[in-house]
Amino acid sequence: GQQLNQSPQSMFIQEGEDVSMNCTSSSIFNTWLWYKQDPGEGPVLLIALYKAGELTSNGRLTAQFGITRKDSFLNISASIPSDVGIYFCAGLRHSGNTPLVFGKGTRLSVIA
Amino acid sequence: EAGVAQSPRYKIIEKRQSVAFWCNPISGHATLYWYQQILGQGPKLLIQFQNNGVVDDSQLPKDRFSAERLKGVDSTLKIQPAKLEDSAVYLCASSHSGNQPQHFGDGTRLSIL
Repeated sequence: GQQLNQSPQSMFIQEGEDVSMNCTSSSIFNTWLWYKQDPGEGPVLLIALYKAGELTSNGRLTAQFGITRKDSFLNISASIPSDVGIYFCAGLRHSGNTPLVFGKGTRLSVIA
Repeated sequence: EAGVAQSPRYKIIEKRQSVAFWCNPISGHATLYWYQQILGQGPKLLIQFQNNGVVDDSQLPKDRFSAERLKGVDSTLKIQPAKLEDSAVYLCASSHSGNQPQHFGDGTRLSIL
């Protein structure tokens, strides 16, 4: 099946630093989504991207839909301790009933 | 708006026993999904409903897993009999339609002894 390659797998950063993670695919997607999952909870939608080249912000988070429609990145500026968690990218194709495809996640740890 | 509700939050059973999970989607969301999330991985789709009809159940192990959404709102997922490898978090999600972003519940953490 389709797979999304998400990197890095994990990262340790100092509080206040900026963070960047990305997701690539061999297939084209029509929608890219970024979720955050805290321990014991379900994934929470952070940003949704619908158009190639689109750059969208949500507070300190910024995400972009790659021009080729095969990649996306998420940036977090000025990280804080509550940014700790696992970040998942997910891609959706609008043709047929193809399911949402998730990456394996980036585990973010913030050192105060 | 209220989010996706799931129960129970935790369940511990022995292998070969049966278990059922319940999900109430966000009001007005026609599409409902059940996912299995194994530790260290992203969610994997088990089944997708559009109203009370099944859209995709290609990854549902049908010999032991079943799901229904009889009235097009709430849904139940059942495992019978459970195996050790079924230990995972079972997430329910819903969306307005199949092409819209999905919103997740907090999941049911299942442990098989």
